[in-house]
Amino acid sequence: ETGVTQSPTHLIKTRGQQVTLRCSSQSGHNTVSWYQQALGQGPQFIFQYYREEENGRGNFPPRFSGLQFPNYSSELNVNALELDDSALYLCASSLAWGYEQFFGPGTRLTVL
Amino acid sequence: GQQLNQSPQSMFIQEGEDVSMNCTSSSIFNTWLWYKQDPGEGPVLLIALYKAGELTSNGRLTAQFGITRKDSFLNISASIPSDVGIYFCAGQLDSGGSNYKLTFGKGTLLTVNP
Repeated sequence: ETGVTQSPTHLIKTRGQQVTLRCSSQSGHNTVSWYQQALGQGPQFIFQYYREEENGRGNFPPRFSGLQFPNYSSELNVNALELDDSALYLCASSLAWGYEQFFGPGTRLTVL
Repeated sequence: GQQLNQSPQSMFIQEGEDVSMNCTSSSIFNTWLWYKQDPGEGPVLLIALYKAGELTSNGRLTAQFGITRKDSFLNISASIPSDVGIYFCAGQLDSGGSNYKLTFGKGTLLTVNP
């Protein structure tokens, strides 16, 4: 059974640019959640996708957007990058919404 | 964003010692989870608790779901060097359509001296 995978591992962008992060969910899981983890903090919920629809959203601005595809993989898009967007972005998949969430290794984004 | 109150912030112990850490919230949760995160990795699920008062073990780890549903505890017995890492508690609500997200604590950094 393949776990949650994310790409790329690391990314460096400059302020104002746009970025796309990718996540493949664990086999059999139809729900993907995205979290932002700043240095020294716990993960903060961005949004969740269940069967290709947004199922809930945290306190993040609209320039954070996402997609889920028919194979349940997902993308996180961030427009107009700001310095404070530098963080580890974590994807988690679950059997369905409300079930235990299993995390991928994360994408480290640095905004200069 | 909201974060749970997790303590202690860090611990430095000798191999073989027992460890206790806890997490409190001003809000009720219906599920409590404990994760461990190694440097450069994503959090790994250790224990999930689903009922107030529940006590669950996973090897040397034992966790409890507080009866008020506002707290949880994690104990590690006979610590070993590979227990080093950051331990996070997380709460999940199961009402009002909000049971999709996890709310995390700030983490407890555990260092084990061989």
